[in-house]
Amino acid sequence: GAGVSQTPSNKVTEKGKYVELRCDPISGHTALYWYRQSLGQGPEFLIYFQGTGAADDSGLPNDRFFAVRPEGSVSTLKIQRTERGDSAVYLCASSFNTDGEQYFGPGTRLTVT
Amino acid sequence: KNQVEQSPQSLIILEGKNCTLQCNYTVSPFSNLRWYKQDTGRGPVSLTIMTFSENTKSNGRYTATLDADTKQSSLHITASQLSDSASYICVVSAKSGAAGNKLTFGGGTRVLVKP
Repeated sequence: GAGVSQTPSNKVTEKGKYVELRCDPISGHTALYWYRQSLGQGPEFLIYFQGTGAADDSGLPNDRFFAVRPEGSVSTLKIQRTERGDSAVYLCASSFNTDGEQYFGPGTRLTVT
Repeated sequence: KNQVEQSPQSLIILEGKNCTLQCNYTVSPFSNLRWYKQDTGRGPVSLTIMTFSENTKSNGRYTATLDADTKQSSLHITASQLSDSASYICVVSAKSGAAGNKLTFGGGTRVLVKP
């Protein structure tokens, strides 16, 4: 596709449930980033992939959060036992290489009730 | 801890007027500084990018400045238009070697342009 796409655009789930958020990066981009943006704040770094491997996962808040990128393209952010504090917009970005400009997707708005 | 602070948090301006947004950062080692525009419900879109040696960069009616000594940047919007209503986010990149270009985001300035 022409840009980074994310699905679903909106997700409402109950506290304690498991959710998966998907990111399709720009074709050919080797680097992929996940960010979380709370209302009225700037995005916060979660995890960065170079190819299939997570090169930096220091931003993941706890072990309920996990992300994969098995084939070096599409990535899935997984959140177990969701809590109301997980409610936010989850942004994905990709770049051609490690130092390249990051292009952002529209985000997935997660609401935990 | 790497931080990026922006001011003001929000502002309202009349269409056609100019405005300036401020950004202070304490990111090290510095790689580059970007200003992003984020429309409601959309992902951020890059407006300008500046490295250590650049002190000004323009993109149409947007002009960014960088003072690497004082670690300050500004974004000037000239002759504002209704479509300029958005959040403007200052983003500083730290060199992190093999771990990629880790970005530190400011909280953004929400600009509302009124007719």
